[in-house]
Amino acid sequence: KQEVTQIPAALSVPEGENLVLNCSFTDSAIYNLQWFRQDPGKGLTSLLLIQSSQREQTSGRLNASLDKSSGRSTLYIAASQPGDSATYLCAVPTSGTYKYIFGTGTRLKVLA
Amino acid sequence: SAVISQKPSRDICQRGTSLTIQCQVDSQVTMMFWYRQQPGQSLTLIATANQGSEATYESGFVIDKFPISRPNLTFSTLTVSNMSPEDSSIYLCSVDPPGTPGNTEAFFGQGTRLTVV
Repeated sequence: KQEVTQIPAALSVPEGENLVLNCSFTDSAIYNLQWFRQDPGKGLTSLLLIQSSQREQTSGRLNASLDKSSGRSTLYIAASQPGDSATYLCAVPTSGTYKYIFGTGTRLKVLA
Repeated sequence: SAVISQKPSRDICQRGTSLTIQCQVDSQVTMMFWYRQQPGQSLTLIATANQGSEATYESGFVIDKFPISRPNLTFSTLTVSNMSPEDSSIYLCSVDPPGTPGNTEAFFGQGTRLTVV
């Protein structure tokens, strides 16, 4: 059974720092891995999708990498800003479906 | 991409009552999914809403508590029945966009924040 965990659970950094969020999954037979952002009490905003054949994806200050063999993905945020404060979730679909298994999330706070 | 609208965005309900949450998509989709996010927790899949057949529930979720309707390819409802404070959560709708699973991103509604008092 696929399990997805995220480290750290919470992170507080000063503005301008580069930071890395980690996501681990137990079953490497994944189709893709998706990173989401969730603001307090709100729904999900998709940030990046990495397909199983890719090693990384970039969008602006965000870069996500995927290492299927080791069951790990990282989300790199460059030059963090207070507006980046949110919970970041990674998720993988069960094989061949859109039924996602979500990680435990990392609550990020960027201090001005 | 798919645009998903959920109603209501939030509600405060009395225990013992029921609330029906609506999910509307701007295009036809094969499957719609309902997730629950309890306070401080991650998302857990409740069920898959199939058009023309009964919903498929995940372990720990039952139809009597979470009845689901799927009258057409763009709309679904989730009812939270006989609510208790433990049902206070964010409920989110998700859809499978056109294309092969794994090649396109999943899309989520903005969620319904339910508080049961």
